Amino acid sequence: QVHLVQSGAEVKRPGASVKVSCQASGYTFTTFDINWVRQAPGQGLEWMGWMNPLTGDTGYARKFQGRVTLTRITSKGTAYMELSSLTSEDTAVYYCARRYGGWLDPWGQGTPVTVS
Amino acid sequence: QSVLTQPPSASGTPGQRVTISCSGSSSNVGGSAVSWFQQLPGKAPKLLLHSHNQRPAGVPDRFSGSKSGTSTSLAISGLLSEDEADYYCAAWDDSLNGWVFGGGTKLTVL
Repeated sequence: QVHLVQSGAEVKRPGASVKVSCQASGYTFTTFDINWVRQAPGQGLEWMGWMNPLTGDTGYARKFQGRVTLTRITSKGTAYMELSSLTSEDTAVYYCARRYGGWLDPWGQGTPVTVS
Repeated sequence: QSVLTQPPSASGTPGQRVTISCSGSSSNVGGSAVSWFQQLPGKAPKLLLHSHNQRPAGVPDRFSGSKSGTSTSLAISGLLSEDEADYYCAAWDDSLNGWVFGGGTKLTVL
């Protein structure tokens, strides 16, 4: 069974950076892109970027360019999302999701990040 | 402001049929496969439909989808109390080169 398991909750100060991990299991990690989506409290879903685990190629939403970095360690089957220069507006739950065909499935359980 | 437009809320009584709309443009809904997600409180989104109307294994056939031009819709028939959740549509946007989502529709089962 395919699973994405994310790292635990984080609390950061404004101006700091946060790095969230997403470990894949149940499939070949390098076969499908990993995407990152966030959800602020009481708000909708917001796409941040994608990464090809095989090549390391990335694509970022314009809003986050220059502030987000997606990386991976293929031997660990793990993807990472690092967001820098945090403000209170970055307080959200951050999700990773596998792109399978033309859709995102499955999703990780989410990592709450609080900036305060 | 979400790229895809959904009504913020919808409601129905048990057993009823409810429809949730999602409108976009030619660069997303009109040209890409649309997917729908169900999000229960405090949980991660779960894929409900992909490619406009295809159900993953385990999703009841009470959930169906349709598309016309740059609009798509999710229908839930035989409404159950457990269907009370937030529903999101999503599609790849060729102009933005990224995923776009609807703002979400909160479904209340009265």
